[in-house]
Amino acid sequence: DTEVTQTPKHLVMGMTNKKSLKCEQHMGHRAMYWYKQKAKKPPELMFVYSYEKLSINESVPSRFSPECPNSSLLNLHLHALQPEDSALYLCASSQAGTGPYEQYFGPGTRLTVT
Amino acid sequence: EDQVTQSPEALRLQEGESSSLNCSYTVSGLRGLFWYRQDPGKGPEFLFTLYSAGEEKEKERLKATLTKKESFLHITAPKPEDSATYLCAVWDSNYQLIWGAGTKLIIKP
Repeated sequence: DTEVTQTPKHLVMGMTNKKSLKCEQHMGHRAMYWYKQKAKKPPELMFVYSYEKLSINESVPSRFSPECPNSSLLNLHLHALQPEDSALYLCASSQAGTGPYEQYFGPGTRLTVT
Repeated sequence: EDQVTQSPEALRLQEGESSSLNCSYTVSGLRGLFWYRQDPGKGPEFLFTLYSAGEEKEKERLKATLTKKESFLHITAPKPEDSATYLCAVWDSNYQLIWGAGTKLIIKP
């Protein structure tokens, strides 16, 4: 059982669509992360929120827009994506601070851009 | 530059055949090393955190050890359900995880 949930499980979208990925954690964590993972590669950090504030943006294109409405929820808004953005998108949470803290991952959203 | 290297890239074992996976790292001032297991199409599952050389942790058939330059994940008498990709990551001086490329473990019945 995972305490980090993600919806939807699968998403197929065209390059002109707007969609959102959602993540919720019930672990009381104050840091949340978005990762992108391509096949046979490790997760690649996109964004970090700490205490609901964006603390790290790893030079991600503006077609990806994160949002943290509260300490339990994390969204990733998608607009005008490219086929190369197709990947597994992972949400994770952890304690906030300098760490080191283990991150707990959700099951991911498999995104296909057509 | 901080770097994490895992070997081998893939490992095929018979059920019950014990072996070890390696994670070598170069990082200025290790503060923590993590092991994760990832099944295809799913998110990584946290296994262990190791903080200092000499530390060991165990969980069922898995045992993780840490030296000043590398970590090993020992798997004893593995079963087919242990098949997965095992990822290693270190906590760097920028308070982020640096990931290795992973070792794909296949256990044949």
